Amino acid sequence: ILNVEQSPQSLHVQEGDSTNFTCSFPSSNFYALHWYRWETAKSPEALFVMTLNGDEKKKGRISATLNTKEGYSYLYIKGSQPEDSATYLCAFNFGNEKLTFGTGTRLTIIP
Amino acid sequence: SQTIHQWPATLVQPVGSPLSLECTVEGTSNPNLYWYRQAAGRGLQLLFYSVGIGQISSEVPQNLSASRPQDRQFILSSKKLLLSDSGFYLCAWSEKGVAKNIQYFGAGTRLSVL
Repeated sequence: ILNVEQSPQSLHVQEGDSTNFTCSFPSSNFYALHWYRWETAKSPEALFVMTLNGDEKKKGRISATLNTKEGYSYLYIKGSQPEDSATYLCAFNFGNEKLTFGTGTRLTIIP
Repeated sequence: SQTIHQWPATLVQPVGSPLSLECTVEGTSNPNLYWYRQAAGRGLQLLFYSVGIGQISSEVPQNLSASRPQDRQFILSSKKLLLSDSGFYLCAWSEKGVAKNIQYFGAGTRLSVL
């Protein structure tokens, strides 16, 4: 059974503060790690795909890092805004057609 | 550009009734197609995926089945719904061989079985 774990399950952050959360995954047979953002009443959308140990990706105020040797990825949000409120999902890929998703971190930004 | 359509958006069905959810993709050919379910308080669970017409892989034993009668059409079905089938169902597609299997999702169907 493949376990992809995310923590915390939920998070409340004051507008303007920075935050981060974690995705843990098996360190063996690694191919790719995905981050998706799922806003309420919308479809999940891909944020990043990372494949190499030490990868860092950035999109505006959101960035992610990858450590394949120890099996974790961090997602960072700098200067949180209300539009950042969403569930953030990570997903692990062995290199086949399937993604295994974590349970997500539900982020709420408090104005 | 590619689009994915999933319907209906909401469905309330009695226990024991049949189910048919449909998903179609436009603007691409020979995609990988997926059905996921999100049960309350849980992550996305992969139910079925398909790499081509008539090719269905089932990930978990359950009361549901899937079919792919056309290249860009994916259908989720049940002959008799159970209470435990309630949840949020998402269809997704990905392009073969590129982009590390990034998946693109439909808007989802919220199914309530009463």
